[in-house]
Amino acid sequence: DAGVTQSPTHLIKTRGQQVTLRCSPKSGHDTVSWYQQALGQGPQFIFQYYEEEERQRGNFPDRFSGHQFPNYSSELNVNALLLGDSALYLCASSSLGQSSYNSPLHFGNGTRLTVT
Amino acid sequence: AQSVAQPEDQVNVAEGNPLTVKCTYSVSGNPYLFWYVQYPNRGLQFLLKYITGDNLVKGSYGFEAEFNKSQTSFHLKKPSALVSDSALYFCAVRDTAGNNRKLIWGLGTSLAVNP
Repeated sequence: DAGVTQSPTHLIKTRGQQVTLRCSPKSGHDTVSWYQQALGQGPQFIFQYYEEEERQRGNFPDRFSGHQFPNYSSELNVNALLLGDSALYLCASSSLGQSSYNSPLHFGNGTRLTVT
Repeated sequence: AQSVAQPEDQVNVAEGNPLTVKCTYSVSGNPYLFWYVQYPNRGLQFLLKYITGDNLVKGSYGFEAEFNKSQTSFHLKKPSALVSDSALYFCAVRDTAGNNRKLIWGLGTSLAVNP
């Protein structure tokens, strides 16, 4: 049973460029959440996707956008990269159901993005 | 406003000694509380949760946590620490009141277990 998989594992981009990160949720999960984790910090919620729509969003600018595909996989896009966007980007999956709010999230190992 | 505090940036314990990683929270309604662990260059792994019922919750790898409603705390504990427990630990809370069901995360506590 595959867990949450993210690609790529590492990425180096230049300021002003655009980046796309990918996530496949754990088998049986239909909801994907994206988090940004700066060095030495806790995860910061970016947004959550369910049924191919953005359901919730954290305090991130519009430069951060996403997409969910019919197979529940998801992409995170960041435009006009800034040095401050350097972080570990984590994808977490869950199943949106009656018990979803008390169900734990399953995380991938993340994509380490470095903006130079 | 919902919040989570992990008052210690770092906790150091000797192997074999008991460990405690502290977490306090603030929510409007009843809390759903979670502990996660993060090893270097890895994602977060779920350890345990409190939803309702017994205040003492048992989780993975011998960890447990005690929910204390009067003190709004959910401290993580383990009777005998292992060197392999050295990692970053995150407490998270979800408020059951209102429409905002986002998971709020603490800043993390780095646990170092010394041999």
